[in-house]
Amino acid sequence: NAGVMQNPRHLVRRRGQEARLRCSPMKGHSHVYWYRQLPEEGLKFMVYLQKENIIDESGMPKERFSAEFPKEGPSILRIQQVVRGDSAAYFCASSPPYSGGLTDTQYFGPGTRLTVL
Amino acid sequence: AQKITQTQPGMFVQEKEAVTLDCTYDTSDPSYGLFWYKQPSSGEMIFLIYQGSYDQQNATEGRYSLNFQKARKSANLVISASQLGDSAMYFCAMREGHQGGKLIFGQGTELSVKP
Repeated sequence: NAGVMQNPRHLVRRRGQEARLRCSPMKGHSHVYWYRQLPEEGLKFMVYLQKENIIDESGMPKERFSAEFPKEGPSILRIQQVVRGDSAAYFCASSPPYSGGLTDTQYFGPGTRLTVL
Repeated sequence: AQKITQTQPGMFVQEKEAVTLDCTYDTSDPSYGLFWYKQPSSGEMIFLIYQGSYDQQNATEGRYSLNFQKARKSANLVISASQLGDSAMYFCAMREGHQGGKLIFGQGTELSVKP
């Protein structure tokens, strides 16, 4: 019963390059969330997706960042023209379809550590 | 305004003793969920325990329990019989609304367990 998978675990990019981060949710989970953790800080919400739909992108920077969760395949967080300030750990979480109760725990992947040189 | 506040940047506890990590929250939504996660030095985020706003009893999961005081808007994590492996960052988080949606995290508390 595999957990949330993220790859790569570590990614190094030079300023101006593109970064693509992948997330495969747990089996049976249809909701995906992306969070960013800057050094010495808590996690900050970026975007919430269901298959082929963006539900909430209120935490996404207006430029250079995009996310998708296609019908087939993993969710992708894409950062164009990276800058040093994008260096952070990016976590993906998934949760199951709603079952009618209040429990909708998000389970996290191991994260991708992005370093921008 | 801070929605989730963890006032203890760092805590020490002796092995085998109990420790309480504080968390207060702020919301006007009657439906919400409260979560605690552990982040060891390896970096992954591990789910520990959940408390729903309508739950009548405090949540418990093994050595973890959540001291939920709704009127005071606090959701403190209690770890009993601390172990060396409990040394980690601990994050309190809240989800507003009935189901789904983003988690709002506190700044975290770094717990160190002394042998």
